[in-house]
Amino acid sequence: EDKVVQSPLSLVVHEGDTVTLNCSYEVTNFRSLLWYKQEKKAPTFLFMLTSSGIEKKSGRLSSILDKKELFSILNITATQTGDSAVYLCAVDSNYQLIWGAGTKLIIKP
Amino acid sequence: DSGVTQTPKHLITATGQRVTLRCSPRSGDLSVYWYQQSLDQGLQFLIQYYNGEERAKGNILERFSAQQFPDLHSELNLSSLELGDSALYFCASSSGAGGTYEQYFGPGTRLTVT
Repeated sequence: EDKVVQSPLSLVVHEGDTVTLNCSYEVTNFRSLLWYKQEKKAPTFLFMLTSSGIEKKSGRLSSILDKKELFSILNITATQTGDSAVYLCAVDSNYQLIWGAGTKLIIKP
Repeated sequence: DSGVTQTPKHLITATGQRVTLRCSPRSGDLSVYWYQQSLDQGLQFLIQYYNGEERAKGNILERFSAQQFPDLHSELNLSSLELGDSALYFCASSSGAGGTYEQYFGPGTRLTVT
């Protein structure tokens, strides 16, 4: 059975800290891995990764995929209170997205 | 604003009833996905349509059904509602089928079953 596991489930850090969120997967036919950010409303797209070892960056956020070890990490540097959200990881397996449970990130001022 | 619209925003109904949730995808998107998110739960994929045809099915109950119309809007029908069906229901759209296309989420419909 395809599965996506995110860790930690929740994380509380102080503003300015750097955080690393993890996503590991076991799927039958990997096509891509996606990261989304969900604040109080709908998830918004962050990154899509298809190739191993290539880092995607957007401002203070970056992500990398390791297809050999079947995981991805999402890094957030110099965190701000606005980064507080649930971060969701999803993997495309056979054209269907398998979603992780998410990591709830709380940034304290 | 993702460009995906969902109506209604909120819905309160009683157990045993039937409701219809509506979704209009972003202009030009052919795929529509339905998700359920219960309190403190992750996203549960329900069903996907691509250009009017059912493309993939997830954890959708038999009491639930969906369709995508020729104008590409979609409806999710929930019947014989139970308390446990109370959740946030998201619709998402993408230009193609599968995860290699970014999904854009609507604001969701919050369903409360009393």
